[in-house]
Order: sequence, then structure tokens, then C-alpha cells
Amino acid sequence: AQSVTQPDIHITVSEGASLELRCNYSYGATPYLFWYVQSPGQGLQLLLKYFSGDTLVQGIKGFEAEFKRSQSSFNLRKPSVHWSDAAEYFCAVGARGTGANNLFFGTGTRLTVIP
Amino acid sequence: DSGVTQTPKHLITATGQRVTLRCSPRSGDLSVYWYQQSLDQGLQFLIQYYNGEERAKGNILERFSAQQFPDLHSELNLSSLELGDSALYFCASSVGDRGIEQYFGPGTRLTVT
Repeated sequence: AQSVTQPDIHITVSEGASLELRCNYSYGATPYLFWYVQSPGQGLQLLLKYFSGDTLVQGIKGFEAEFKRSQSSFNLRKPSVHWSDAAEYFCAVGARGTGANNLFFGTGTRLTVIP
Repeated sequence: DSGVTQTPKHLITATGQRVTLRCSPRSGDLSVYWYQQSLDQGLQFLIQYYNGEERAKGNILERFSAQQFPDLHSELNLSSLELGDSALYFCASSVGDRGIEQYFGPGTRLTVT
């Protein structure tokens, strides 16, 4: 069965600093991988996704993520954080082939940005 | 704006009651997924409908049911409500039935008192 681990519950960074949010997954093959962002009181917005091909994927709002098969990781990065990036970030896994059609989500990482 | 709409935005009701949450998918999307987000359980998949038929089931309680109508909107029915059902309920939609790329609505916050 799929599972997703986001080891950091809460991260605080200064505005302008770089950011890396960790995500590790457990799955028998290469899954579909996603990062979503949830601002307070809002729904989930898709930041980026990995299906296949280039392991470094670019997303919206200046975010990128790198798929590392050997580490079963899909970490999210941003070179310079803006105050508006403060939100909760969720990593998600989707199964390939037949089987579950839904997404499995990690527990989320809350990002606080300080001036 | 993802294009997925959910109503109502907030719902407050008492234990034992029944409520209906509504979701309209993005134009052209045939699949609708329901998720529950609570503090203790996180984001959990409940159920998926594709073009009117149930396609996948997750951790959905027997007190909960859903359906998708011919115009593709979906309703999630929650009955015999308990305090623990208080949560944010999200609807998502995708073009196909594989759920590869899902777009989420703003959610309905349910409070059971």
C-alpha cells in the first residue's frame, strides 16, 4: 500500500531564505507524485506533479521538486521564500496502473515565514 | 480558482442530524472524489464517482453515502452525525477515472454540535 511521510510538522523560515520541504513515499513502483498547498481557510491548490521523465519538475509560484528514486523522496524547494508562501503544504502519492484511483496524502508541513 | 465549486461553505448542525454537501466538478471532468480533512485523521479519501458510477471507495463510513447525477454534480450525504464527523470535506475532480491530476474545491466546513 502507498504511504507518504512528511517528517517536518512545522518549518519557520525568514523571508528571502531558501526552503526545502521533505517528502518520502512508500510504493512498490514509481508512483505519481504531487505537491499541494493549502492557505488558511482555502482548498488545496496543485503546485506541481511528477509522472515520468525529467526528475526535476517545475511548478507554479517558483516552486520545484526533485524525484529521487533511490531515496523514495520528492522534496519541494524554493530558492527565495515570500511572505505569501506561508501555508500548509501536502505531498501526495497516486498509484499507477489499475487499483486505487485516489491520492494518499502526507500529514502536511506548516510553513511560517518571518519578516 | 480551480473551477470546482462546493456548497455550502459552512454548515453547523446537531448530533443525529443529516446533511447534504454538494459539489460541481470542473467543466469536462467526469470524475468526482470526496475527501475528509480532520485534525486527527488528516486528509482521507472517501469515495470516487466516474460518470455517474461509483469507481473507488476509501474509508467511508456506512452512515455516509454519495452519488453523482447525470449533470455530473455530486452530493455527499452524511447521516446520524456525530461530533467526530466535524471536519473539512473536499471535493476534487479529474478528467478521467484514474485520478492522475485532481483539482480541489474550496471545501465545506462541517461543525457538529
